[in-house]
Amino acid sequence: DVKVTQSSRYLVKRTGEKVFLECVQDMDHENMFWYRQDPGLGLRLIYFSYDVKMKEKGDIPEGYSVSREKKERFSLILESASTNQTSMYLCASRGTGAYTDTQYFGPGTRLTVL
Amino acid sequence: GEDVEQSLFLSVREGDSSVINCTYTDSSSTYLYWYKQEPGAGLQLLTYIFSNMDMKQDQRLTVLLNKKDKHLSLRIADTQTGDSAIYFCAVLNSGYSTLTFGKGTMLLVSP
Repeated sequence: DVKVTQSSRYLVKRTGEKVFLECVQDMDHENMFWYRQDPGLGLRLIYFSYDVKMKEKGDIPEGYSVSREKKERFSLILESASTNQTSMYLCASRGTGAYTDTQYFGPGTRLTVL
Repeated sequence: GEDVEQSLFLSVREGDSSVINCTYTDSSSTYLYWYKQEPGAGLQLLTYIFSNMDMKQDQRLTVLLNKKDKHLSLRIADTQTGDSAIYFCAVLNSGYSTLTFGKGTMLLVSP
């Protein structure tokens, strides 16, 4: 069965801390994505990666960075967490076969920055 | 870039049909998707439609696409309380394999 897992469901951090959110997929997908979800704003793409060590900025990359050292793992890094980064973070992965390849989502990490 | 709009809220009674609407701006969009998000969970793909189709039916779900008006709808027949969730419309962007999502429609089904 298809699986995208995220390292934590809930996370509480303090302002200024460095935060790592990990995502692992077991489908050998080339593409991986990080979104944040906020009430009234929907899903916004932060970064995505179409191959190992490759990354592209999404719509709201400021304050974030990513790392993709292995195909199955895509990490989102908050270099210095701020309260406006309190949000639900969703990871997704997708193959590069036919366009009907589904984008699969993980369960999400709810991050609170105090 | 692509813009996807949805109404934010829909309330129906159990057993009624629900219709969730979506509009998008990029006429070259090839694939359009409907995702469902239950409370506290990630997004689950419900169905998709290719741009050369007008309609797709999958059990209780019917997707209608009006490409001229760039309008997509999801009809849920015989809506159940378990259908209460947020429904997202998403459009495949040209170039990279990214999707643009609408803000989501919260569907509330009352007994």
